[in-house]
Amino acid sequence: DTAVSQTPKYLVTQMGNDKSIKCEQNLGHDTMYWYKQDSKKFLKIMFSYNNKELIINETVPNRFSPKSPDKAHLNLHINSLELGDSAVYFCASSPLLAGGGNTGELFFGEGSRLTVL
Amino acid sequence: QKEVEQNSGPLSVPEGAIASLNCTYSDRGSQSFFWYRQYSGKSPELIMSIYSNGDKEDGRFTAQLNKASQYVSLLIRDSQPSDSATYLCASRGRGSTLGRLYFGRGTQLTVWP
Repeated sequence: DTAVSQTPKYLVTQMGNDKSIKCEQNLGHDTMYWYKQDSKKFLKIMFSYNNKELIINETVPNRFSPKSPDKAHLNLHINSLELGDSAVYFCASSPLLAGGGNTGELFFGEGSRLTVL
Repeated sequence: QKEVEQNSGPLSVPEGAIASLNCTYSDRGSQSFFWYRQYSGKSPELIMSIYSNGDKEDGRFTAQLNKASQYVSLLIRDSQPSDSATYLCASRGRGSTLGRLYFGRGTQLTVWP
């Protein structure tokens, strides 16, 4: 059973299109994230949700809109795709500590490679 | 900007050698540090975490933290070809909640037989 699963794994699309990536985790974690990894392997946080609430919203164009229907799911919708959006998008989750906060251990999905032509 | 810098590599060592991976961070308030390993085409996975000054050992891996110098390192003893991967250093700042990690750009390690 995959712990954090993302679909699709590959996306090839034209500039200007809209696309979505879905993520589900079956680990029972409260916190979920979207990270973006560029071609030089730089991994940067985009969004974080805790139990369906948006907690972290980094400086990301508002063409990117996350949605968390429940704490096990976090989706990412991207409008008007641009060439610079080409990257691997990782969904991740982490458990909460008893006193709040996280351990820092992120459980990543396999990634969704987005190519914008 | 909370930056994490890693020695750019790539690093190439023979099987059985010690691989040394280094990382510096700019935010003096950072409290927790992590090493993630990422195989080519795969997702990152946590291999070590360290919170206090000094060394922390786990099997062939040793993480070292020096907060005064704002320096974190990862030593891999008896390196194996299966250790060939990109190693990502990450920090979490004081007061940072809910898993906001700042990652370095990674060091690519190749262990040749």
